[in-house]
Amino acid sequence: GAVVSQHPSRVICKSGTSVKIECRSLDFQATTMFWYRQFPKQSLMLMATSNEGSKATYEQGVEKDKFLINHASLTLSTLTVTSAHPEDSSFYICSASDRDGNEKLFFGSGTQLSVL
Amino acid sequence: GENVEQHPSTLSVQEGDSAVIKCTYSDSASNYFPWYKQELGKRPQLIIDIRSNVGEKKDQRIAVTLNKTAKHFSLHITETQPEDSAVYFCAASTRGTYKYIFGTGTRLKVLA
Repeated sequence: GAVVSQHPSRVICKSGTSVKIECRSLDFQATTMFWYRQFPKQSLMLMATSNEGSKATYEQGVEKDKFLINHASLTLSTLTVTSAHPEDSSFYICSASDRDGNEKLFFGSGTQLSVL
Repeated sequence: GENVEQHPSTLSVQEGDSAVIKCTYSDSASNYFPWYKQELGKRPQLIIDIRSNVGEKKDQRIAVTLNKTAKHFSLHITETQPEDSAVYFCAASTRGTYKYIFGTGTRLKVLA
């Protein structure tokens, strides 16, 4: 099956710093990737749709200037949490589809962000 | 937009018993419904899915039913085992968008 790699798996940073999370499709090309955020004991909330070569589409309530998404190639999307604050601490997870018509999404392993 | 509700939020069953988790969706355009199992700090794992042109699908101890008219779908796990303990999420999406909207999750605990 399709493999999505996400790095880092865990990051601890100081308040005010920026953190970049990478999401790679290893064996397929992904024109679209999705970024989710999951707070403890809560569901996966869709943050944005990352489109290769164009601007990301953000869900309502998600600050696009705070969560910068770049999808410069068909195999890589990055999420940068700018000027992180403790309330940004969460589990961030990306997903992508190989678009072979089966409707399936393949998820990265997630990044646990802790902002001190 | 789509809204997916999931019940119950927690479920405890004795080993060997069955577990049922229910979801409802709001957007009649949704036509793909996957179920995921997630362990703490790990990625969600697809366990079964169903498309809107099918009413029921089964894979060993796991089955999913879909009622398009009522806009609800359910996950059924039979002969539960301790390793089934995890958080289960339903999701809904519209064909071709790959944009999943997840339910709120059910924490299943199987008691040995």
